[in-house]
Amino acid sequence: KAGVTQTPRYLIKTRGQQVTLSCSPISGHRSVSWYQQTPGQGLQFLFEYFSETQRNKGNFPGRFSGRQFSNSRSEMNVSTLELGDSALYLCASSLVADGNTIYFGEGSWLTVV
Amino acid sequence: TQLLEQSPQFLSIQEGENLTVYCNSSSVFSSLQWYRQEPGEGPVLLVTVVTGGEVKKLKRLTFQFGDARKDSSLHITAAQPGDTGLYLCAGADNYGQNFVFGPGTRLSVLP
Repeated sequence: KAGVTQTPRYLIKTRGQQVTLSCSPISGHRSVSWYQQTPGQGLQFLFEYFSETQRNKGNFPGRFSGRQFSNSRSEMNVSTLELGDSALYLCASSLVADGNTIYFGEGSWLTVV
Repeated sequence: TQLLEQSPQFLSIQEGENLTVYCNSSSVFSSLQWYRQEPGEGPVLLVTVVTGGEVKKLKRLTFQFGDARKDSSLHITAAQPGDTGLYLCAGADNYGQNFVFGPGTRLSVLP
């Protein structure tokens, strides 16, 4: 079955702009989570959605937000971009019943200049 | 707050050598996953271990979950250059909803 799909794969934005990243989970997966990965901080949890509701949220400022649609696809948005937001943003999906395992997409590389 | 530590942080070995990397925590996890990530790509799931003391083998890779479900190890036999990458462990809480990632072990296998 198709894996987790993230778009776009690469993008460059200017400080102060906003960005929206998209994630399509594995078919049948209802839980989608987002992570930020940087060389200095490693993988950090942003938030997790299930059935269009945010169930868990990491320790990130309010500039980071997300949503999930009825078809389980998810988007995350970062407003007022800062240089430090440059990172690989990873989306992962899981079955609720198989909540022990999450599967990652290839990520979206964001560079803020 | 659940935290996972991984050791060593970096490891560089010659092809054909054996190695073991560790994932440790003071917290109990309902399950633990190991991932390998190559540069520019997302982490790829290698294995999920659920039962304390469980041992799983994946070709040359052997994964063990500690009896108390607080730690895990990954042993690679006869490492190959294709094993190069960042090895991440991730623990799930008792509800299986929250995942905590370790900082990773960056492995380099030289031909």
